[in-house]
Amino acid sequence: GQQVMQIPQYQHVQEGEDFTTYCNSSTTLSNIQWYKQRPGGHPVFLIQLVKSGEVKKQKRLTFQFGEAKKNSSLHITATQTTDVGTYFCAGASGGSYIPTFGRGTSLIVHP
Amino acid sequence: DSGVTQTPKHLITATGQRVTLRCSPRSGDLSVYWYQQSLDQGLQFLIQYYNGEERAKGNILERFSAQQFPDLHSELNLSSLELGDSALYFCASSTMTDTQYFGPGTRLTVL
Repeated sequence: GQQVMQIPQYQHVQEGEDFTTYCNSSTTLSNIQWYKQRPGGHPVFLIQLVKSGEVKKQKRLTFQFGEAKKNSSLHITATQTTDVGTYFCAGASGGSYIPTFGRGTSLIVHP
Repeated sequence: DSGVTQTPKHLITATGQRVTLRCSPRSGDLSVYWYQQSLDQGLQFLIQYYNGEERAKGNILERFSAQQFPDLHSELNLSSLELGDSALYFCASSTMTDTQYFGPGTRLTVL
């Protein structure tokens, strides 16, 4: 079955440093979604990418979808303590719209 | 606030027991998804209902069942509970293929 791998599992940064999490799928994806889960909270939708090579920005967050639609990344510029949480990618493929979630990357920001 | 409600927030029960988790989707959303989140397994898709009908099944145990009622709320029934069933259970709702909006979750502890 489809597998979605996400790295790293954890990332510690100093406030102000950049952060990137990577997502790789074993199959070509029809779309990829990114979610953020704050500690003790629930996953919250951030964005969806659909097109090959697509890049979208939300303030300090930059999302990319690979040309082959098998990988994606989320980059945060100049992290803040409010960025703390676990970032999940979720990809759907093969005509299914049920996304497979990656294991997530937990971002810890040290002030 | 995603607009998805889940009750109860916390549930503590004993092995062998049966519990029911309840979810009300966002107004207008016909699709409901159930997920299990545990530390070692990440976010696992269990089952999806669309307008009262089961649409997709994921890693749902035979001891677990779900249904969606005419008013679109959904219930997840967990029976013959084991220690390993302790986890956060999330419900999410969406329109047919749109992004998913997660509820606050039910934390189940099996003692």
